[in-house]
Amino acid sequence: GAVVSQHPSWVICKSGTSVKIECRSLDFQATTMFWYRQFPKQSLMLMATSNEGSKATYEQGVEKDKFLINHASLTLSTLTVTSAHPEDSSFYICSAVSDNYGYTFGSGTRLTVV
Amino acid sequence: GENVEQHPSTLSVQEGDSAVIKCTYSDSASNYFPWYKQELGKRPQLIIDIRSNVGEKKDQRIAVTLNKTAKHFSLHITETKPEDSAVYFCAASRAGGYSTLTFGKGTMLLVSP
Repeated sequence: GAVVSQHPSWVICKSGTSVKIECRSLDFQATTMFWYRQFPKQSLMLMATSNEGSKATYEQGVEKDKFLINHASLTLSTLTVTSAHPEDSSFYICSAVSDNYGYTFGSGTRLTVV
Repeated sequence: GENVEQHPSTLSVQEGDSAVIKCTYSDSASNYFPWYKQELGKRPQLIIDIRSNVGEKKDQRIAVTLNKTAKHFSLHITETKPEDSAVYFCAASRAGGYSTLTFGKGTMLLVSP
């Protein structure tokens, strides 16, 4: 089946630094990538939708200058959390969409900002 | 936009019993309804899905029913096992172009031996 490789699986960073999370679709092309954030004991909340070669569409309340999304190719999308703060600590997960495989989730990244 | 309500938030059953989780949705144009199982710190795993042209779908111990008129769908797990314990999410979207999945708030299922 389809696989989306997401890295890193966990990261600890200091306040004020930036963290980049990568999602790579293996053996298939992802026309669309969704980025979700999940706080403990809560549901997955959509942050943004990205399509290859175009600007991401952000959900209401999500700062586009803080959460930078790049979808440079049909197999790679990145989310950069800039100037991270403790309240950004969360589980971030991507979901690639393709005609053949539907929605395929990455394994998630646990971000802890100290 | 779409709004998905999910109940109950927690569900405790004895091994061997059945478990039912219910969801309602608001967007009448939604036509794809997946269910995901998520273990702590892991990615959501698709366990079953249903499209709007079908009223019921079954896969071994798991079944999903859909009532488009009432805009609600349910997950049924029979003969529950301790390994079924996890958080279950329902979701809804307009398929055919794969638009955004809107998730319910989740149900924590605990199956006691």
